[in-house]
Amino acid sequence: GAVVSQHPSWVICKSGTSVKIECRSLDFQATTMFWYRQFPKQSLMLMATSNEGSKATYEQGVEKDKFLINHASLTLSTLTVTSAHPEDSSFYICSEVWADTQYFGPGTRLTVL
Amino acid sequence: GQNIDQPTEMTATEGAIVQINCTYQTSGFNGLFWYQQHAGEAPTFLSYNVLDGLEEKGRFSSFLSRSKGYSYLLLKELQMKDSASYLCAVRSGNTPLVFGKGTRLSVIA
Repeated sequence: GAVVSQHPSWVICKSGTSVKIECRSLDFQATTMFWYRQFPKQSLMLMATSNEGSKATYEQGVEKDKFLINHASLTLSTLTVTSAHPEDSSFYICSEVWADTQYFGPGTRLTVL
Repeated sequence: GQNIDQPTEMTATEGAIVQINCTYQTSGFNGLFWYQQHAGEAPTFLSYNVLDGLEEKGRFSSFLSRSKGYSYLLLKELQMKDSASYLCAVRSGNTPLVFGKGTRLSVIA
């Protein structure tokens, strides 16, 4: 399957600061990546679809000005949580499609104090 | 929209067989996926069904009936390390996967 990396694995930040999460496709060029979020004991919820060279597509209810997505190259997509608040604390996971199957990065656990 | 249902929790004994069911409602069905997710980790891919029938992969098998909107994941010869959440996910057309809430499986000695 596809190999996806994420950085950082975990991050703790103060309320009001911004945090950038990187997602890298290590073994092929991904024109599309997906960003999911998972709260404890809940399902993975799709936040947005990241498209290389164009604007991301956000799911209903996800604020595009708060969750900035940049997909500047075929191997890197970034998610920036701006002005983070404690309710943004969650597990953020990126995903890419290879051979008709979605593969996930290891996830980034964000804790906002 | 899509609706995916699976049991919240299940418990099974080491060495036994367990079946985790998933029912779904969607338009433009284009595949059903099963993932395993250990606590604090990202999901890992287990199986993919797009046609009716059984797909076997070692100790894990997955079944699909498109007419019934039904799938199950069968785990044989359960091991303690199989304790995890099992996520059923559905794809419609070329859209990203939509996940069920997951079934938390506890394997006991």
